[in-house]
Amino acid sequence: EVQLAQSGAEVKKPGDSLKISCKASGFVFINHWIAWVRQMPGKGLEWMGIIYPGDSDTAYSPSFQGQVTMSVDKTINTAFLQWDTLKASDSAIYYCARALRVTDYYALDVWGQGTTVTVSS
Amino acid sequence: QSALTQPASVSGSPGQSITISCAGTSNDIGTYNLVSWYQQRPGKAPKLIIYDVNKRPSGVSIRFSGSKSDNTASLTISGLESEDGADYYCCSYRNGRTLVFGGGTKLTVL
Repeated sequence: EVQLAQSGAEVKKPGDSLKISCKASGFVFINHWIAWVRQMPGKGLEWMGIIYPGDSDTAYSPSFQGQVTMSVDKTINTAFLQWDTLKASDSAIYYCARALRVTDYYALDVWGQGTTVTVSS
Repeated sequence: QSALTQPASVSGSPGQSITISCAGTSNDIGTYNLVSWYQQRPGKAPKLIIYDVNKRPSGVSIRFSGSKSDNTASLTISGLESEDGADYYCCSYRNGRTLVFGGGTKLTVL
C-alpha cells in the first residue's frame, strides 16, 4: 500500500528546535517530489515547499523561505521538516504529501495523516 | 504570498449541482493548466479529486468535474450527496516554482 506515515504530535516551547518526519512506503521514494503543507487551527491549507528525494532539490514558498528547512534521508525513505527556533505562530498541523507524477509536483495524490505541532510557553 | 480566491461557503440540496470558483491571476491559473482540487473532511487529510484542471484520479466519482476560463478555475459537483459536505481547496502552480492554495470553501449539503 502506498502511504506516508508522519511522526507524532509535538508540544514545544518558543525558541525550541524541532524536526518532524514523513516515512514513505509502497512506492519508489526517490522518484516522487514530497511537499509540505501547513494548516493553522481552523484555517486553510498553505503550501510550504517541496523536495525531490532523488537529489534533494528544493523549492520553498516565499512565505516559508528561511523559516523552515526540508530534507530527506534516502536510506530510510523519510522526508523531514525542521525548525531551528519555534514561535507560537508555528502551531499548526503539518502534512506531507506525494506528487502524483514522477515528472513534476503540481498535484499531490498521497497525504500523510498530519503532525500536530503546538508551541506554547 | 497571496492565496487564490474562493468563496467562503456554498450550499446545495441533495441531487442539485454546485460550482465553486477559484480566482487567480495571469501568474498562475491564467497561464498554467496546472490546477488541482482537494476535498478535506473534518479531522482528515486532504484528498485529491481533480488535477490538471479537469482530470480525475482513479476512484474519484464522475460527479466531480473541473474547468478553467481565463484566470478562474471552477469545480462542479453534480448530483450532490450528503457525503460531499466538506471543505474544498483549489491549488495552482504559480510563477517561480511554487504552488498556491485557495482559501478554501465550505460546502454544506442541506
